[in-house]
Amino acid sequence: QKEVEQNSGPLSVPEGAIASLNCTYSDRVSQSFFWYRQYSGKSPELIMSIYSNGDKEDGRFTAQLNKASQYVSLLIRDSQPSDSATYLCAVRGSTLGRLYFGRGTQLTVWP
Amino acid sequence: GAGVSQSPRYKVAKRGQDVALRCDPISGHVSLFWYQQALGQGPEFLTYFQNEAQLDKSGLPSDRFFAERPEGSVSTLKIQRTQQEDSAVYLCASSLAPALDGQYFGPGTRLTVT
Repeated sequence: QKEVEQNSGPLSVPEGAIASLNCTYSDRVSQSFFWYRQYSGKSPELIMSIYSNGDKEDGRFTAQLNKASQYVSLLIRDSQPSDSATYLCAVRGSTLGRLYFGRGTQLTVWP
Repeated sequence: GAGVSQSPRYKVAKRGQDVALRCDPISGHVSLFWYQQALGQGPEFLTYFQNEAQLDKSGLPSDRFFAERPEGSVSTLKIQRTQQEDSAVYLCASSLAPALDGQYFGPGTRLTVT
């Protein structure tokens, strides 16, 4: 059973702070890693992808991958109330195509 | 360009009825996926098509679930003899290349079985 674990939260940060979201995965041969944002009542929206160890930055978002520790994280700098959502970690393992999702971390950014 | 579209957006079915959910992927995307999302959970994989070929159906929960993509574009997920436990949001996603690309989700169909 391939598992993706996320800190369940909820996570609450003030506006302007850094939000840190974490994810671990069990399948050591996993190759591709994604972060999705899901607003209440909406479908998941792809915000970041990362494939190799290290950091990947896109605007206020930074994804970090450590394959040796089987750990993926997402940092959101200068958090805004509009960032309040559930963040889903997704992993593509050795089986071509399908993604394995964590349960998501609910983030609230308060003004 | 247009994203993934799904219809209907909401479906209420009486237990025992058959339902059909439609997905229209992003134009040119060869890979199409169906997921099921229960409240408070992450999406759970159901099945995967590459063009018209169904390459993985290991996530379909029972033989009441059937999916097809006959011309490699639009896909239909059919659920026969619906049960209350089938109530969930059914998400369709597409991607350009299955090995690396992220998957782009449609708005989902919320199915309620009464």
